[in-house]
Amino acid sequence: GQNIDQPTEMTATEGAIVQINCTYQTSGFNGLFWYQQHAGEAPTFLSYNVLDGLEEKGRFSSFLSRSKGYSYLLLKELQMKDSASYLCAVRSYNTDKLIFGTGTRLQVFP
Amino acid sequence: DGGITQSPKYLFRKEGQNVTLSCEQNLNHDAMYWYRQDPGQGLRLIYYSQIVNDFQKGDIAEGYSVSREKKESFPLTVTSAQKNPTAFYLCASSIINSNQPQHFGDGTRLSIL
Repeated sequence: GQNIDQPTEMTATEGAIVQINCTYQTSGFNGLFWYQQHAGEAPTFLSYNVLDGLEEKGRFSSFLSRSKGYSYLLLKELQMKDSASYLCAVRSYNTDKLIFGTGTRLQVFP
Repeated sequence: DGGITQSPKYLFRKEGQNVTLSCEQNLNHDAMYWYRQDPGQGLRLIYYSQIVNDFQKGDIAEGYSVSREKKESFPLTVTSAQKNPTAFYLCASSIINSNQPQHFGDGTRLSIL
């Protein structure tokens, strides 16, 4: 079967660092995407990992371990506007389809 | 600017009616997708198309139909056979066989009257 797990909700304080984990079990693996989605809006692309290791992009970083079926999204210097849902999605081998997790709703407090 | 346009933003359906959601892209992407999103759930794939005049069922295709007569357009029809159509519908497109992400439209929220 195919399964992607993320925590349902997380809270953090403005200026802090938060790590959102994603574990996956899929039939084949051809890349992992992280998206940000504000309520009622379209998901927007944050990061992509296909090889093991850390990808850094400004305040956001994403890590992948293919052997462990594990990824995390790291958000630094949190801002109020970072309050949103964060979606983890895996692309299976030899297809362009994405399998999405249920998303993690992050609330940032002052 | 290139992008994906979904219309309308809000749509209401009476019982027994079919409704069609529009999705147009000018990104020159070959692949297009329709997802459904319910509260507390992730995006679930309804249909996808990688080339004009061809499309495949996703995980929850029952009660839905699509067409792909033009590269730019991928309309979704929610038929009366879909018993629980109230949801947020998202259209996306992408380049095939690349590591580029899918790009999403702003979504259509469908409600039953």
